[in-house]
Order: sequence, then structure tokens, then C-alpha cells
Amino acid sequence: DTEVTQTPKHLVMGMTNKKSLKCEQHMGHRAMYWYKQKAKKPPELMFVYSYEKLSINESVPSRFSPECPNSSLLNLHLHALQPEDSALYLCASSQPGQFNYGYTFGSGTRLTVV
Amino acid sequence: QKEVEQDPGPLSVPEGAIVSLNCTYSNSAFQYFMWYRQYSRKGPELLMYTYSSGNKEDGRFTAQVDKSSKYISLFIRDSQPSDSATYLCAILNYGGSQGNLIFGKGTKLSVKP
Repeated sequence: DTEVTQTPKHLVMGMTNKKSLKCEQHMGHRAMYWYKQKAKKPPELMFVYSYEKLSINESVPSRFSPECPNSSLLNLHLHALQPEDSALYLCASSQPGQFNYGYTFGSGTRLTVV
Repeated sequence: QKEVEQDPGPLSVPEGAIVSLNCTYSNSAFQYFMWYRQYSRKGPELLMYTYSSGNKEDGRFTAQVDKSSKYISLFIRDSQPSDSATYLCAILNYGGSQGNLIFGKGTKLSVKP
């Protein structure tokens, strides 16, 4: 299995809603990432988990809350988002120290905040 | 100066053309260079990986790194309509065993039949 699976593929939420994005991989990778990608822009790093511990938080607002319950799963909890948070949210995974394989990305969750 | 600079295009070529995509970067310590391809509404997929300077070839694709000029390139030979996508250069900025991919803006390529 060489895939990163993200659910849901599309999500529309109101500014007062609470929702979660899910990401799963079964490649044995021990680093997992959340990226945010606005239209016609490159992906921007939000969070990095290494061996299930949060290792990088790129000054992301607290309305985004990551969680890594185990080595295969990564969640992003969303609360009180703003319309400008509408974007494609990408999950990726890699094996720490094995740079030649790059990162494997999921297809993303397209989030619209209304 | 941004860490990675890439001309966003768009770039339109006829089928069969040779395509040249380029990026420049600012930090001479970078050593891991990648090209990702992203189709519309999909996540990026790794196309090519290069360590340090030199060339790497995979089928119709060639990746080239010139560390002396901090310049990375991707060449696509005999381009096909299926190559139409956004191409993102990426550089791995790492410390210890942990890295962070820094992406260029991406170049949107359209190959016309």
C-alpha cells in the first residue's frame, strides 16, 4: 500500500462548526505532515509529526488543532474557522531520514468555510 | 529573497516539444532537490529526486542540479497532453532526521495536441 488516504474529499462548514479532517497511511512512515494550499499557490507547511510527536508547528492559529493518535493516523480538528481558511488541505507522510523517497501526498480535502 | 523562486508561467507547448522548467534557490547548504507534479484537484506526486549536483534521467524526464549557480531544472522530452499539470520544484530543508519541504510557486504546463 503506497497511498495516503484523506477523508472527506470535500467539506463545507460554517464559521461556528467543529469538524475534523482525517489522514491514514500504511507505508510504515513515521513522519506525517499537514499542508495548506490556496488556489494557484504552492503547499505551505502547517504541522509536522515525527514518531507521533508534534515536532513543527508553523505558527498556525489555534483554531487548527492537529492530533496523531498512532503511527498510521493523523487528524486535523477545525473550530471557528474563517472564510480565508478555505483551501485544499494536504496530508503527507515520509520516513524520517530517508529523503530520497520524498513525501507521499494524499489527494487532499477541499475545505470551504461559509 | 524567497528561498525558492519559480516562474509560475503558464507555459503552453505543442505536443512533442521539449519542455524546460526551472527554479533558483538561495541557500547553498540545500542538498535534496525534488520535482513534484500536481494535476488539478489532486495532491502533488513525486516525479524526480536529485541529491547534490548532477543529472538524473527517468524515461522522458531529466532533472538537473547546478549547485554552483543554485539552479535546478526539469526537462521533459516528447511532451504529451497527459503531461499537462502544475510542476512544483521542492527543496528539502532538514535538521537531523527531520525535514521540511520548501516548494516553489509551481509552473502550470499545458501541452496542446
